[in-house]
Amino acid sequence: DAGVTQSPTHLIKTRGQQVTLRCSPKSGHDTVSWYQQALGQGPQFIFQYYEEEERQRGNFPDRFSGHQFPNYSSELNVNALLLGDSALYLCASISAASTDTQYFGPGTRLTVL
Amino acid sequence: AQRVTQPEKLLSVFKGAPVELKCNYSYSGSPELFWYVQYSRQRLQLLLRHISRESIKGFTADLNKGETSFHLKKPFAQEEDSAMYYCALSGTWGLGGGKLIFGQGTELSVKP
Repeated sequence: DAGVTQSPTHLIKTRGQQVTLRCSPKSGHDTVSWYQQALGQGPQFIFQYYEEEERQRGNFPDRFSGHQFPNYSSELNVNALLLGDSALYLCASISAASTDTQYFGPGTRLTVL
Repeated sequence: AQRVTQPEKLLSVFKGAPVELKCNYSYSGSPELFWYVQYSRQRLQLLLRHISRESIKGFTADLNKGETSFHLKKPFAQEEDSAMYYCALSGTWGLGGGKLIFGQGTELSVKP
């Protein structure tokens, strides 16, 4: 099991563009969370998906949206990119029936120019 | 306000010295507390959680509800402990692993 995987590894966009990041959860996991980690900061919770619905949301604008597919993989979409959106985007997964903790992916480094 | 504070951005110690990474939290309720670690070029991974009361790689952390602290300690630091450490809390107990609130992180550097 490769664990949580994310693609792409790195991405460069310009202001105003839109971006889609992808996450495949660890085998057996059905719940996916997304976090934004700016340089020198701890991860900040964006939202969590379970059963293809957004279950919880952090303090992020509507420009940030997501989706979960029937195979539990997930996408994070960011519209109208701002310079401040440059960050490492982390995906974490867990089984909703588990008392385990969340497993993190390696992240996607997004640079907005 | 829900918040996790790690007052030290960088902590530098010599091999064999004791280590204490500080973490204070603000939360209305009874959160679950965690320490995550990120070694160089590796992904974020759980080090320990307070409900398991385990000692992992020689690290321990005690939840002090009166002081709202969850400091991470190790009696004798090793060079391989050099990493970024994040304290985090969750207001969701038990199933499903809810939103995690992270501190800013402390970089631990253990010198030979």
